[in-house]
Amino acid sequence: QKEVEQDPGPLSVPEGAIVSLNCTYSNSAFQYFMWYRQYSRKGPELLMYTYSSGNKEDGRFTAQVDKSSKYISLFIRDSQPSDSATYLCAMSANSGGSNYKLTFGKGTLLTVNP
Amino acid sequence: KAGVTQTPRYLIKTRGQQVTLSCSPISGHRSVSWYQQTPGQGLQFLFEYFSETQRNKGNFPGRFSGRQFSNSRSEMNVSTLELGDSALYLCASSGGLRSRETQYFGPGTRLLVL
Repeated sequence: QKEVEQDPGPLSVPEGAIVSLNCTYSNSAFQYFMWYRQYSRKGPELLMYTYSSGNKEDGRFTAQVDKSSKYISLFIRDSQPSDSATYLCAMSANSGGSNYKLTFGKGTLLTVNP
Repeated sequence: KAGVTQTPRYLIKTRGQQVTLSCSPISGHRSVSWYQQTPGQGLQFLFEYFSETQRNKGNFPGRFSGRQFSNSRSEMNVSTLELGDSALYLCASSGGLRSRETQYFGPGTRLLVL
């Protein structure tokens, strides 16, 4: 079983739709959770960073963590064509310093159609 | 503040050759991590350097190596290239000391092995 599972999609939605992206994980040591957005031929760009279970909101983006279920989600409200990208979940057991490495899901390819 | 830069952006090599990729972190960042991204495996952690020392290592063969210089710039070397080494190689930088840190990624070097 992979440490992090993410449905690769592709996911295609109309503009304005609410998008839900999800990852599950098996390593209970993971405590820090991130969502990255990667446009074609670019490096990943950090979108959201969460530590505890619960919700964190930033503009149109909401990250949700449920540690008891080992499940994280990213919601995008009022999706725009510019949101079309690959979304990667990432997690780590440590928050920084030594032994800090990210374990990624494979990414979900999202297309928002105008 | 300038972001993470990687050179070259694109590279074509043949099997058996070796290659060196370069990464300049964000000014002030002392930690540089390297990741390999392929369609099949996604983003996988290679290694991390901090203050010229390899601090963390992923599960890659010894053909993959790296180093970091006193100005925090890092190089990654792959010897005896195989077809399966074709990938996007990403480096990410972070402060390297504090907790709740995030990693910032460069645009990547796309390597094609023929």
